[in-house]
Parts: sequence; structure tokens; C-alpha cells
Amino acid sequence: GAVVSQHPSWVICKSGTSVKIECRSLDFQATTMFWYRQFPKQSLMLMATSNEGSKATYEQGVEKDKFLINHASLTLSTLTVTSAHPEDSSFYICSALHEGDPNTGELFFGEGSRLTVL
Amino acid sequence: RKEVEQDPGPFNVPEGATVAFNCTYSNSASQSFFWYRQDCRKEPKLLMSVYSSGNEDGRFTAQLNRASQYISLLIRDSKLSDSATYLCVVTGNEKLTFGTGTRLTIIP
Repeated sequence: GAVVSQHPSWVICKSGTSVKIECRSLDFQATTMFWYRQFPKQSLMLMATSNEGSKATYEQGVEKDKFLINHASLTLSTLTVTSAHPEDSSFYICSALHEGDPNTGELFFGEGSRLTVL
Repeated sequence: RKEVEQDPGPFNVPEGATVAFNCTYSNSASQSFFWYRQDCRKEPKLLMSVYSSGNEDGRFTAQLNRASQYISLLIRDSKLSDSATYLCVVTGNEKLTFGTGTRLTIIP
């Protein structure tokens, strides 16, 4: 099946620094990618929808200036957590839509990135 | 009301038993439905799509009830390896919405 790679898997950073997480679709082109965060024992929470070549669409309550999303190519989307704070510590997961139709296309997930902010 | 709702569980079920859980959705215009499985600290993986006519894959059966706006997942002859969180996903208006997940633990 299709493969989505996410990097890094684990990151520990100091408060106030910025962290970039990459999400790559390895064997297909993804015009649409999604970014989620997940707190322990909770479900995935959609943060934003990333569309190649255009600005990301953020969900209500998600600060776009804090969580910068760039989808510069059909195979790569990045999420940058700027000026990270301990409350940003979470599991961040990306997914890429195969076949481009959000209503019927299959969703493939990256392995997730666990961010710990000290 | 949440767009997609699931009973969070946990469901603790003895090995070999049959277990079923539902997922309700609020948007009657929703178009596609899926069940994903997520193991602890891992990414979700597609378990099965849910078709209007219902579908079966081995021990797993998924059904859609549009009139009552819910989907269901039935697991027969449960195995220890079925222990996971099961997430339903509903799509519509070019948006995917996840349920909160139902945690299932199969007990030896």
C-alpha cells in the first residue's frame, strides 16, 4: 500500500525553540495532507488541512502563527511548531490523501512524531 | 452535539467473544465511512471501508445505517491481537472527521 513517512519520530526541545516535522508521501502524490495532534488516551484532533501550493486551512482554535504549515510540493508537507512550550508536547500525526478525493480517497498516516517540550 | 460520536469504552471482552460497537454521525450529507484501528502510540491504520450494503472481511463486519445515521463494527471470535482503539471516520464536504475512538481490550 501507499507509504507516508514522517520525521522525526521523537523530538525533545527546550521551551521557546521551534521544531519542524516533515511528512512525505513516498510513492504517490498528495495534493491534500492533514495534520493532527493527539493527547494521551484521546482521539486525533484535526489541526489543519494542507493543500499543495496554497495556504493551509486551520481548524477553529488552532493558531496558524504558532503552527506553520507548508505544502510546497506534492510529496512534502511540513509542520513547524514555533516558540514551543510544554503544553505543545503531544503526538503529532500527518496523513496524506491518496487519489485526491477527500470523500472517497483512502487516507494514509505517517508514523507520528512525539514532541516533548522541556 | 459532536459531529461523530463513539462510546470511548473501554470494552473488556473475553477472547473468543463477539463484540460490536457503533459510531453515530450528525451530518446526514456524509458520504463515506471508514473504520480505523490504532494501537497504542502508533498511527491509525485503515481497517475497512463501510459500504451502504454492508461489508465483511473475515471476522470483521461493518454496516451503515443511513436512516439512523450510524455505522457499526462487529468483531467475531475476538483475538488478543484485536486489542486496540477503533476509530470511525466520516467524510463529507471534503472534510474528514474522526470519532474519539473506542478502546477494546481482549482478555485471555
